Amino acid sequence: DQQVKQNSPSLSVQEGRISILNCDYTNSMFDYFLWYKKYPAEGPTFLISISSIKDKNEDGRFTVFLNKSAKHLSLHIVPSQPGDSAVYFCAASGDPGGGADGLTFGKGTHLIIQP
Amino acid sequence: SQTIHQWPATLVQPVGSPLSLECTVEGTSNPNLYWYRQAAGRGLQLLFYSVGIGQISSEVPQNLSASRPQDRQFILSSKKLLLSDSGFYLCAWSGWEGMYGYTFGSGTRLTVV
Repeated sequence: DQQVKQNSPSLSVQEGRISILNCDYTNSMFDYFLWYKKYPAEGPTFLISISSIKDKNEDGRFTVFLNKSAKHLSLHIVPSQPGDSAVYFCAASGDPGGGADGLTFGKGTHLIIQP
Repeated sequence: SQTIHQWPATLVQPVGSPLSLECTVEGTSNPNLYWYRQAAGRGLQLLFYSVGIGQISSEVPQNLSASRPQDRQFILSSKKLLLSDSGFYLCAWSGWEGMYGYTFGSGTRLTVV
């Protein structure tokens, strides 16, 4: 029973265009959502987060949108750059400060930025 | 600033051999500590979490164990490795330091042969 789903294993986007990565969740107790970027053989690095009281959070080229009624969030990267090529993980938690729940991750989406 | 160290980076171990992966955190006190595993074709799965010294909780039954002998030290162990223990292991910490989010270590690639 996967509580966080990233249904696209891979996504190919042309450099300079918008990349949209999607994530769905099933657990209505999740209140805090995060996106991580991961290069091969490295630990994930935090990108951006959003709490359930918001529907949008923006940080530079990265924007996360949350549709709580649909239990759906998306990460927009504009404009896409070659260095954005990586695996992106969506994660969710019921506790923004950490706590015993940890994070529940999706399986990841491999974003490939083409020149 | 807070930093997290995890070692070794890569490890090749025979089936049946023991395992010990170590993780230490600097620059914070009383962090929540976690061990995650990324198996091939899968997302990151939470294995263990710890909210304090000697306090370990396991998310899934497995061939692994964890210990927290000191506030900022978290160890992942196994007495006898299985082939299915192969994967990428990540240590992480979280806590209220005026910011949200989890910080991950650089990971250990474990191959059991």
